[in-house]
Amino acid sequence: AQSVTQLGSHVSVSEGALVLLRCNYSSSVPPYLFWYVQYPNQGLQLLLKYTSAATLVKGINGFEAEFKKSETSFHLTKPSAHMSDAAEYFCAVSPPYSSASKIIFGSGTRLSIRP
Amino acid sequence: NAGVTQTPKFQVLKTGQSMTLQCAQDMNHNSMYWYRQDPGMGLRLIYYSASEGTTDKGEVPNGYNVSRLNKREFSLRLESAAPSQTSVYFCASYIERGTYEQYFGPGTRLTVT
Repeated sequence: AQSVTQLGSHVSVSEGALVLLRCNYSSSVPPYLFWYVQYPNQGLQLLLKYTSAATLVKGINGFEAEFKKSETSFHLTKPSAHMSDAAEYFCAVSPPYSSASKIIFGSGTRLSIRP
Repeated sequence: NAGVTQTPKFQVLKTGQSMTLQCAQDMNHNSMYWYRQDPGMGLRLIYYSASEGTTDKGEVPNGYNVSRLNKREFSLRLESAAPSQTSVYFCASYIERGTYEQYFGPGTRLTVT
């Protein structure tokens, strides 16, 4: 069985500060891992994904995430926060080469940016 | 190319009423999905359709039915709405090979009173 845990339901950072959103997973097989972003009143949009290639994955809007097997983590980072980054972020895990019916979503982390 | 579209955007129902949520995608994807999103619970899969003509239950199917009308359209029906079905509903389509990417619609915000 797979699961994903996002540490912190709400994270607040100052504009220009480092963004770090934490995600830990549990999986019996090498997983695929995803980060999605949801802006207010919109659907989810894929930010980046890990599908067993490079462990450091770069996504849109300056975000990146690193797959660390030893720590079972896939934390999302951005060096300098922008006001437009305020949104909800979801980490997700799935077995490799599988249907989206196997994707398990975390409970989400709401990111607020202070001016 | 509109991606994934959903109608309606908002709906208020009384307990016991029925309604159908509509979803369409123009990306020629085989598989489509219905999720519900509740505060603090992420997204939970209600039903999915791996291909035209097939549907399967997800994690929380009770109280819902679906129809895969054709490759483009996948509808979700609430036969007798209950307050517990108050939620935001998202439709999504998925690329099963290669890029393994999921595309979401803008959502339907449903309130059952």
